[in-house]
Amino acid sequence: DTGVSQDPRHKITKRGQNVTFRCDPISEHNRLYWYRQTLGQGPEFLTYFQNEAQLEKSRLLSDRFSAERPKGSFSTLEIQRTEQGDSAMYLCASSHRQQGASNSPLHFGNGTRLTVT
Amino acid sequence: AQKITQTQPGMFVQEKEAVTLDCTYDTSDQSYGLFWYKQPSSGEMIFLIYQGSYDEQNATEGRYSLNFQKARKSANLVISASQLGDSAMYFCAMRVRGSSASKIIFGSGTRLSIRP
Repeated sequence: DTGVSQDPRHKITKRGQNVTFRCDPISEHNRLYWYRQTLGQGPEFLTYFQNEAQLEKSRLLSDRFSAERPKGSFSTLEIQRTEQGDSAMYLCASSHRQQGASNSPLHFGNGTRLTVT
Repeated sequence: AQKITQTQPGMFVQEKEAVTLDCTYDTSDQSYGLFWYKQPSSGEMIFLIYQGSYDEQNATEGRYSLNFQKARKSANLVISASQLGDSAMYFCAMRVRGSSASKIIFGSGTRLSIRP
């Protein structure tokens, strides 16, 4: 168990540019989540995958955000035409459904900190 | 509406004292799960404890226990014999039913500071 890995750790970009983040979950975990966290706040749910299927997406997520998990393993989160309000920590988490339908905890990565200038 | 509320933005506690962090929740689901996470200044999210809505006994994990009062929709975290290393942000979270699948939502957190 090497843990959830996120890349890059930090990303600075100019407003209007596109950015893509990668998440590698724990290998046997079939559930994968993306969250956004701003300073002093709790993680805000963005989207959820079970295997390769994107089953849930926050209504707060604009069309500029898209996530994929093409082979049910790693996932990418892309933000198009970034805005200063997108500056935040983007957290990825994974869990294993067979550990218990409701009690399987999320295992988080260390996040990607995005700064839009 | 499905919501987690943590009303204590910050708390200061003397080392070795017990501390209770409040969490109330709102959901119309009959089956749900409640979690507590710790986030130190280093930023990683650490799972602490879980309580299922049908669990009859309060969950315990070492120095952590969850005071689950279903009728009041509260799930307070109790840390016994606090240590300096307990200083961190603490988040209450709940697994709820989304539009097509379950998801986990978080409260705004409580910053706990332990005084030596």
